Amino acid sequence: EAGVTQFPSHSVIEKGQTVTLRCDPISGHDNLYWYRRVMGKEIKFLLHFVKESKQDESGMPNNRFLAERTGGTYSTLKVQPAELEDSGVYFCASSQGDGRAAFFGQGTRLTVV
Amino acid sequence: AQSVTQPDIHITVSEGASLELRCNYSYGATPYLFWYVQSPGQGLQLLLKYFSGDTLVQGIKGFEAEFKRSQSSFNLRKPSVHWSDAAEYFCAHKLIFGTGTRLQVFP
Repeated sequence: EAGVTQFPSHSVIEKGQTVTLRCDPISGHDNLYWYRRVMGKEIKFLLHFVKESKQDESGMPNNRFLAERTGGTYSTLKVQPAELEDSGVYFCASSQGDGRAAFFGQGTRLTVV
Repeated sequence: AQSVTQPDIHITVSEGASLELRCNYSYGATPYLFWYVQSPGQGLQLLLKYFSGDTLVQGIKGFEAEFKRSQSSFNLRKPSVHWSDAAEYFCAHKLIFGTGTRLQVFP
């Protein structure tokens, strides 16, 4: 069974550009989460999808971040325009039940220069 | 606000020594506690979890953790560390993660 897959694994963009991160959850997992780890700090929750609906987006830092999950399958996280402080590792996770253990992807390392 | 504290940023142990990584969480009615490990270049892997029942839980790779409600703790232990255990370890309570503990193992 395939795990959670994230694309790309690395991305280097200039300040002001747009970047889109993609996450393919484990098939059949209704719950999809985005997290971010900045500069070796804690892993911070960004948002939670249940199928295609945003269950909780309280962790989204500002309106430059847009997450979608059309059709309840894969999800994208767009940063537009990117700022230097957006650099970090973005993790995606999926699970079968809310609050239960989630399976994580390998993360996308985003560097904004 | 809920929080998870991992007081040890970096721990170094010798191979074969015992290990305990500390985790404290802010009180919640229902504990959903997890330990994850991230090896270099890898994603986060679940070691073990606790929701209810026996407060001593067994995980993969020989790890165990004990839930102590009175201390709001969920410390991770391993009786004998292997060099391959060198990694970063994260404690989580529901959707909240701690800052992680980096484990270094000397031969």
